[in-house]
Amino acid sequence: DGGITQSPKYLFRKEGQNVTLSCEQNLNHDAMYWYRQDPGQGLRLIYYSQIVNDFQKGDIAEGYSVSREKKESFPLTVTSAQKNPTAFYLCASRDRQGANTGELFFGEGSRLTVL
Amino acid sequence: AQSVTQLGSHVSVSEGALVLLRCNYSSSVPPYLFWYVQYPNQGLQLLLKYTSAATLVKGINGFEAEFKKSETSFHLTKPSAHMRDAAEYFCAVRSGNQFYFGTGTSLTVIP
Repeated sequence: DGGITQSPKYLFRKEGQNVTLSCEQNLNHDAMYWYRQDPGQGLRLIYYSQIVNDFQKGDIAEGYSVSREKKESFPLTVTSAQKNPTAFYLCASRDRQGANTGELFFGEGSRLTVL
Repeated sequence: AQSVTQLGSHVSVSEGALVLLRCNYSSSVPPYLFWYVQYPNQGLQLLLKYTSAATLVKGINGFEAEFKKSETSFHLTKPSAHMRDAAEYFCAVRSGNQFYFGTGTSLTVIP
């Protein structure tokens, strides 16, 4: 079945370590997004990418980095510069063409905890 | 920038009662509007979307929403709540390539 796979589901990190969250989609979508979710704050955009080898900062990009070398993959690195990285991270994709333009499709999320 | 306001961060209803979750948006052009549902430790699932074809939109699990341009609202309703409807609900608006989400409403269903 087509969908978005995020891994790992749960991740623990020590302060000062970089970690990378994986996001893979087989929906053939051009656009991919990373959101951070904290209780009571909704979803906040970290980075998004409309095509391969191109991405834009969202509202809270500081302390994060991404790459988009393949259409299917959009990994997110949480660097040691991110002061408060404990959160639930959601990856999403969108079909920019065809009949189903518009909505985001989400992965199951990755919960990062800094010890 | 666009914004979405969800009135009421927590809503409780009795099983079988009407569910009403409120969403207001700011937009100077006809918007694309969405409602998503999230169960604990899971991603968001699309309930329904408004894309200007009809003002009353029907979605999954018996939910529907009505677009009211004069009120800039897109409230979500369900005639009869079920225990499985207990979840977090998010309203969102799309503007170009970006999506703007409300802060969510947690729905509790009381047996």
